[in-house]
Amino acid sequence: DAGITQSPRHKVTETGTPVTLRCHQTENHRYMYWYRQDPGHGLRLIHYSYGVKDTDKGEVSDGYSVSRSKTEDFLLTLESATSSQTSVYFCAISGGLPYEQYFGPGTRLTVT
Amino acid sequence: GQQVMQIPQYQHVQEGEDFTTYCNSSTTLSNIQWYKQRPGGHPVFLIQLVKSGEVKKQKRLTFQFGEAKKNSSLHITATQTTDVGTYFCPARVSSGNTGKLIFGQGTTLQVKP
Repeated sequence: DAGITQSPRHKVTETGTPVTLRCHQTENHRYMYWYRQDPGHGLRLIHYSYGVKDTDKGEVSDGYSVSRSKTEDFLLTLESATSSQTSVYFCAISGGLPYEQYFGPGTRLTVT
Repeated sequence: GQQVMQIPQYQHVQEGEDFTTYCNSSTTLSNIQWYKQRPGGHPVFLIQLVKSGEVKKQKRLTFQFGEAKKNSSLHITATQTTDVGTYFCPARVSSGNTGKLIFGQGTTLQVKP
C-alpha cells in the first residue's frame, strides 16, 4: 500500500463544533483528494489539491475547507459540523499521469 | 457533467459462478480505471485501460475497453468469496491536468459460499 495515513481514524463530535481531519503521505505525490462515502452515493469528491497551496472544489464542497501548506499534508476542516456530514472520509493521492489514485484507510466521522 | 453509469448496482452470485459488471459513458473516455473496495476497507486501484478495444487480465479478472471507448466491462470467472466487494469504474474529468475522478455508486458483489 502507498504511504498514506489518515487521522483520526474515528471521531464522534457534536453539531456546531469544528473538526479537522488530516491526511499525510510519504510518497511526495503532487495530487491529493478528499472524498466522502455514504450509502447510496458512492464516493464523492469534496476538495482536491494539485500542489502546495493549490486547491479547488469538488462536487460536494459546501461546509468544508481545505489547506495544504506542505506536500505531505492535506487537511480537511468542517468549520461547524452538522449531522449531514456524518460519513466516512477518504483521502487519496496521485503522482500524475496516468493519475491512478491510492487511498488512505478512511476516517469514520459521526456528528451527533 | 461527465459520468459513467455502472450496472448492475448489486449482484449476488453463488461461489463458482461468473460475474460481469458494465460501465457506460455517453462521451468518449480518454481512459478508464477500475477500483475494488472490500467491505469496511478503502478503494484499491486495480487497472487502467487506455486503448480502444484493449483487453487485460489479472488472474480470474478480465477487463475490456470498448472499441468506441465509451464502455468497459469487468468479468470475473469462477467467483470466490474473496471477490466480495464494490467495484468502481470512475470517469476521469478531462478538463485540466488534475487527475480528478468522478466515482459512481459502483457494483456491489456478494458471493454465497
